[in-house]
Amino acid sequence: AQTVTQSQPEMSVQEAETVTLSCTYDTSESDYYLFWYKQPPSRQMILVIRQEAYKQQNATENRFSVNFQKAAKSFSLKISDSQLGDAAMYFCAYRSIYAETGANNLFFGTGTRLTVIP
Amino acid sequence: AAGVIQSPRHLIKEKRETATLKCYPIPRHDTVYWYQQGPGQDPQFLISFYEKMQSDKGSIPDRFSAQQFSDYHSELNMSSLELGDSALYFCASSLARGGEKLFFGSGTQLSVL
Repeated sequence: AQTVTQSQPEMSVQEAETVTLSCTYDTSESDYYLFWYKQPPSRQMILVIRQEAYKQQNATENRFSVNFQKAAKSFSLKISDSQLGDAAMYFCAYRSIYAETGANNLFFGTGTRLTVIP
Repeated sequence: AAGVIQSPRHLIKEKRETATLKCYPIPRHDTVYWYQQGPGQDPQFLISFYEKMQSDKGSIPDRFSAQQFSDYHSELNMSSLELGDSALYFCASSLARGGEKLFFGSGTQLSVL
């Protein structure tokens, strides 16, 4: 079974600085998808960034980028120029592409609560 | 752009009562997922539907049932509610069974008293 581990329950960053959130996962599959979701106090689940395992190039979305290390099964999120609005719970998630192994759902990590200090 | 719509936003029930949560996916999305998120916990997958058929089942209690209708909206029916059912229930939708991003609704906060 796939597992997703976020070893940092809480992180803090100074406004305008850079912070990296860690995520590791365990899988025997060669192709899959990885996601970072943001959940602000409103509890809305917002997709931040997505990475396909077959792509070597790290995904980037404006101030958000990932460091995807497939061999190490690591998928960290880097937030540059942190803003107060970035304060939220961040969840790393894994999704298989194979229907037989549950392609229809996401496996979430336990989350990292990010605080942005003004 | 249209998003995933969930209703109601908040629901208060008493123990042993029944609740029905509704989810309207993004237009043209054919797959719907239900997740349960307890206080301070990560979302847990309950069940999903593809083209109106159940496609995957997670940690959904037998007291719960769900279905997807011909217009692709879905309903989660919860009976004999327990205090532990108090949680945020998310619905998400996607365009295909695999390989597509999941888009989440704002959730229904269920409180069981």
